[in-house]
Amino acid sequence: DAKTTQPNSMESNEEEPVHLPCNHSTISGTDYIHWYRQLPSQGPEYVIHGLTSNVNNRMASLAIAEDRKSSTLILHRATLRDAAVYYCIPLRGPFGNEKLTFGTGTRLTIIP
Amino acid sequence: GAVVSQHPSRVICKSGTSVKIECRSLDFQATTMFWYRQFPKKSLMLMATSNEGSKATYEQGVEKDKFLINHASLTLSTLTVTSAHPEDSSFYICSANPTGNSGNTIYFGEGSWLTVV
Repeated sequence: DAKTTQPNSMESNEEEPVHLPCNHSTISGTDYIHWYRQLPSQGPEYVIHGLTSNVNNRMASLAIAEDRKSSTLILHRATLRDAAVYYCIPLRGPFGNEKLTFGTGTRLTIIP
Repeated sequence: GAVVSQHPSRVICKSGTSVKIECRSLDFQATTMFWYRQFPKKSLMLMATSNEGSKATYEQGVEKDKFLINHASLTLSTLTVTSAHPEDSSFYICSANPTGNSGNTIYFGEGSWLTVV
């Protein structure tokens, strides 16, 4: 499994953009980059995923480096509800019954 | 969206007793579910893969006789913590991927807090 490196914690002001980085230098060519987040006392929830191209959805954007060794999750306008631990997880494709291996993630604090 | 539900959300049990946690996929079938454990301020640790109709696959270091997993149907997996001890107190989380899903999303339950006293 590809290893990932994320900052332990980050802070951001409410209503400002947040850029959460992830290094995955050992990622294989067929690994998708998934992001999940875990709100306090809840199970993780899917945020976004991508392979090579940048991706957007209603929750966030994912910017993937050209060499795929890093990616950045972008929350365009952080709210207090976005305070969570964010996990970057490479997953092999095509998917089937994939088990997720969680690293330490980044604990995001939103300042009102 | 797809929902995975766990029950109970919180349970307190006495040392030496057993406690069962259920994981249900409410609107899809899942031949495989996963069980994780999470200690406070720590990341999720995969315990085992629950396979419908066959034995669970345990991760290294996880005692299969202590953490019994039964995947009785395509929508239900149960985790039984046997002879519980205070060190088993933790947040237990299950996940499931809809059978035949070509990818994208894995769904997690809300988690179950176990406190052993």
